[in-house]
Amino acid sequence: DIQMTQSPASLSASLGETVTIECRASEDIYNGLAWYQQKPGKSPQLLIYNANSLHTGVPSRFSGSGSGTQYSLKINSLQSEDVASYFCQQYYNYPLTFGSGTKLEIK
Amino acid sequence: EVQLVESGGGLVQPGRSLKLSCAASGFTFSNYYMAWVRQAPKKGLEWVATISTSGSRTYYPDSVKGRFTISRDNAKSSLYLQMNSLKSEDTATYYCARHPRYFDFWGPGTMVTVSS
Repeated sequence: DIQMTQSPASLSASLGETVTIECRASEDIYNGLAWYQQKPGKSPQLLIYNANSLHTGVPSRFSGSGSGTQYSLKINSLQSEDVASYFCQQYYNYPLTFGSGTKLEIK
Repeated sequence: EVQLVESGGGLVQPGRSLKLSCAASGFTFSNYYMAWVRQAPKKGLEWVATISTSGSRTYYPDSVKGRFTISRDNAKSSLYLQMNSLKSEDTATYYCARHPRYFDFWGPGTMVTVSS
């Protein structure tokens, strides 16, 4: 099984700041990576797929990058509505696996 | 607008069965793989099952293989999850998701509690 190691587990940042969340796969996943945002009490929502493609309707301040085993999600100009948990997920191979999540708060 | 609405959750005793349903609308259901993903209280996300467009291929993680069965009715635009031999560790919110490799749309979820 491919293990997804996500960091940090929690993050506190100020409005307008830029934050980065990392995800490391236990083997090469050839850009088969997605990022999801889950706001409190809501279902997850797709942000990024294929490591760097923005899902329809997602603000351009979100971006994804990476290759091989190392991937990252960057949020520019942090807004109050970005308070949420963020999860990475690999879909290169079954079983599909998620990172453990990053909880983002506003300072 | 893509809509997915789960139903069928509730309280069930360990060892018993439960069947979840997901009603889909706003897209051509038969053109998409579909999946179930769950989230235990205050925990992360766990993929539970995937089904191909025709239903001929299904995929499961070891944690549910042999106990859970995913199925679909394309004529009714509906997805199902039959859960047998339920355990306390199956307690979670179960989400139905459209699955073109990643999960691009999710339902609001239905809660399943396994407890005596």
